Amino acid sequence: GAGVSQSPSNKVTEKGKDVELRCDPISGHTALYWYRQSLGQGLEFLIYFQGNSAPDKSGLPSDRFSAERTGGSVSTLTIQRTQQEDSAVYLCASSLAPGGLPGTGELFFGEGSRLTVL
Amino acid sequence: DQQVKQNSPSLSVQEGRISILNCDYTNSMFDYFLWYKKYPAEGPTFLISISSIKDKNEDGRFTVFLNKSAKHLSLHIVPSQPGDSAVYFCAASGSGNTPLVFGKGTRLSVIA
Repeated sequence: GAGVSQSPSNKVTEKGKDVELRCDPISGHTALYWYRQSLGQGLEFLIYFQGNSAPDKSGLPSDRFSAERTGGSVSTLTIQRTQQEDSAVYLCASSLAPGGLPGTGELFFGEGSRLTVL
Repeated sequence: DQQVKQNSPSLSVQEGRISILNCDYTNSMFDYFLWYKKYPAEGPTFLISISSIKDKNEDGRFTVFLNKSAKHLSLHIVPSQPGDSAVYFCAASGSGNTPLVFGKGTRLSVIA
């Protein structure tokens, strides 16, 4: 597709269950990011993939969160044993180059996956 | 510890007037700054950016000003239009291979 695609768009789950969120970035974009936006909060950085380099996991809030990027393209964010505080919109973004490089590093975001943990 | 701060959660402006959205940052290593715009149920979209070697960048109705000594930037929208009503996020990055750090956003309402 032309843009970043995320699925599911909405997910309601029970506390303690595992969830997987998928991101299909723009073709050819080497950098992929996961952010989340909780109610009333800004965009919180979670994890960043750049090419074949080891991912920057510094934003993951706990070891219940993990992500992988297969074949340098599709990424899956997994949250194990979900808690109510995990409820948020999870946003995936991709860019041509590492974020921050003028003119090439602007991020293209998907529409997000809204997660509600009951 | 918020490295990028948008202290005004909301702003209301009359159509045709100027909207000024402010952003402060604490990390002196940041050298690239961006503004993103977000409509409800959509992902943020890139609006305008500025490199630390500049103090102003203009694109149509949108101008971003950077004051490095004050670690402050602002986005000016003039004239404001009802379609500009959205949440605006300020973001910053250090050089090269670092993820963008976002502020909490400012909700702009442009009243017709």
